Amino acid sequence: AQSVTQLDSHVSVSEGTPVLLRCNYSSSYSPSLFWYVQHPNKGLQLLLKYTSAATLVKGINGFEAEFKKSETSFHLTKPSAHMSDAAEYFCVVSLRPRGGADGLTFGKGTHLIIQP
Amino acid sequence: DTGVSQDPRHKITKRGQNVTFRCDPISEHNRLYWYRQTLGQGPEFLTYFQNEAQLEKSRLLSDRFSAERPKGSFSTLEIQRTEQGDSAMYLCASTRDSTEAFFGQGTRLTVV
Repeated sequence: AQSVTQLDSHVSVSEGTPVLLRCNYSSSYSPSLFWYVQHPNKGLQLLLKYTSAATLVKGINGFEAEFKKSETSFHLTKPSAHMSDAAEYFCVVSLRPRGGADGLTFGKGTHLIIQP
Repeated sequence: DTGVSQDPRHKITKRGQNVTFRCDPISEHNRLYWYRQTLGQGPEFLTYFQNEAQLEKSRLLSDRFSAERPKGSFSTLEIQRTEQGDSAMYLCASTRDSTEAFFGQGTRLTVV
């Protein structure tokens, strides 16, 4: 069985300040982990993925995430928030080795608000 | 636009009516997936196809739901005798050989 918990339903930061979106996972086996972003009226877009290579993963738009097995965490960070980062973010776990979309389990999402 | 496209984008229907949604995947992608997303939740897997074969169905997919991908290209998702609980965003995604999934913008269904 696998599951993912996003610890905050809403996060609000000021433009130019760091972003931290928290995610904990549960998996019986070595998982693949992802972060997706969903902007209003747009499809889900893959930000980054971890598939058992380097534990610090860099993604698009300046985002990165660190896989910490001991803490079963995969938190998403960005050094400096931009207004265009305002969106819904989903942490996702998969048992498929390459993260096939048939095995994706999504968290409930974190709504990121950027204050001007 | 060469991404995944879904039609219609919005559908309002009366309870008890049948509805059908269409998904056109990225042309070279052999796998196609359907997900459902209700308000305040993340997407949940419904079913997927490899070419024209439906390989897996979630227990969320009740008997009133049916999905097809007749020629291994576009797919349709039909809901018969809609209920208010069917109101959700229905998302389609496609991949080539089970790698990164590309999602469409979804079809938002409202059952009144």
